This record gives sequence, structure tokens and C-alpha cells, in this order.
Amino acid sequence: DIQMTQSPSSVSASVGDTVTITCRASQGVTSWLAWYQQKPGKAPSLLIYGSSHVEDGVPSRFSGSGYGTKFTLTISSLQPEDFATYYCQQAIDYPWTFGQGTKVEIK
Amino acid sequence: QEQLVESGGGVVQPGGSLRLSCGASGFSFNSYGMHWVRQAPGKGLEWVAVVWYDGKKQYYGDSVRGRFTISRDNSKKTVYLQMNSLRADDTAVYYCARGQTSMDVWGKGTTVTVSS
Repeated sequence: DIQMTQSPSSVSASVGDTVTITCRASQGVTSWLAWYQQKPGKAPSLLIYGSSHVEDGVPSRFSGSGYGTKFTLTISSLQPEDFATYYCQQAIDYPWTFGQGTKVEIK
Repeated sequence: QEQLVESGGGVVQPGGSLRLSCGASGFSFNSYGMHWVRQAPGKGLEWVAVVWYDGKKQYYGDSVRGRFTISRDNSKKTVYLQMNSLRADDTAVYYCARGQTSMDVWGKGTTVTVSS
């Protein structure tokens, strides 16, 4: 199975900051990488698919990049509603696997 | 409006069985693969299983393979998860989700508790 490792596990940031989350795959997944946001008590929601394609309705301050084994999610100008947990997920091979999550907290 | 609604969760004893259902509306159900994803209390997301759009292929996560079975009925726009030989570590919120290369529509989840 492909292992997905996110860093950091948590980050404290202020409104207006730029936050970058890294996701590494144990083997190459080309661009088959998605990012999700999850708020407490809610279902996850898709932010980014295909490594860099922003899902319809997602604010443009969210962006993704990367290929192969290293990927990043960047949140520019952090807003209050962005404080949540973020997960990466590979979709090149079954079983699909998620990273362990990165919690973005208010500083 | 694209929507998924899970049902069938509850409390079950270790070794027991439970069947989850997920009803779809607002989209062409028979065009999409359907997934189950779970989240244990205080933990991260774990992908459980997928069934292809036509029901002809299924794949499972390592921890549930051989115990869980995913299936679908396109005439009823419903996907199922039959869970057998349940263990305490199967306790989680179970989400169904739509997707081919990512999961773009999610239900709100149903809670399964395995406890004596």
C-alpha cells in the first residue's frame, strides 16, 4: 500500500497568514492526489483534485502543486473559516490512502 | 442538488453484523464509482471500499478485506456496506462518497459503535 505522510501535523497561524502543508507519498502517484478540508463534526469536503485543480466553489486562496512523491497545499491569506483539518489522499492505486491530517489552528 | 444520505448505523456487539446504506439523489448515480470512508473517534480518515459505477469491481482497505462487502443497486440509487465479524476498532463514523479520481460529494455520515 502507498503510505501518505503529511507535515506538519499541526500549525498555528493568524488570519491573513499564508500556510503551506506538505504531503509525501511512499511511491510515485503522478498527479493522482487530492486535498480535503474537514471541520469538527462535519464530513470532509474536496478542495483540490489532480494535484492542482481547484474544485468548483473553492476559494482561489487555496492552491495545490506537486508531482510524483511530493505535494503541497497552500492557503494564502488565511480566513477564519479556514481553521480546520486538512488531508491529502492518493488515487493512483487501491487501496486509496489518506495522510494523517494537518490541523490548522488559530494563533 | 447532489446529495448522499447514509443510514443503518447503530450499536452492535463484537462479532456481529450490520448493513449500512447510502441513498443518492440529484445526479446520475450509475455513472459514478461509490466509496465508503470511515473515521474513528478522534482519528483521521480511513478509506474503506469502492464499488465501480456498474457494480462489477470492488476494492477494499486492508483492515476490512474479507469482512466487509460493498455493493450497489443502481435501480434504487443506493450503495451498501455489509459489515461482518465486527470488532471494537471498527467503531467509527462511516461516510459514503462519490468519486472517480477523488471524492467530490460526501454524505453526513452514520455512526457505528461496536461494544459489548
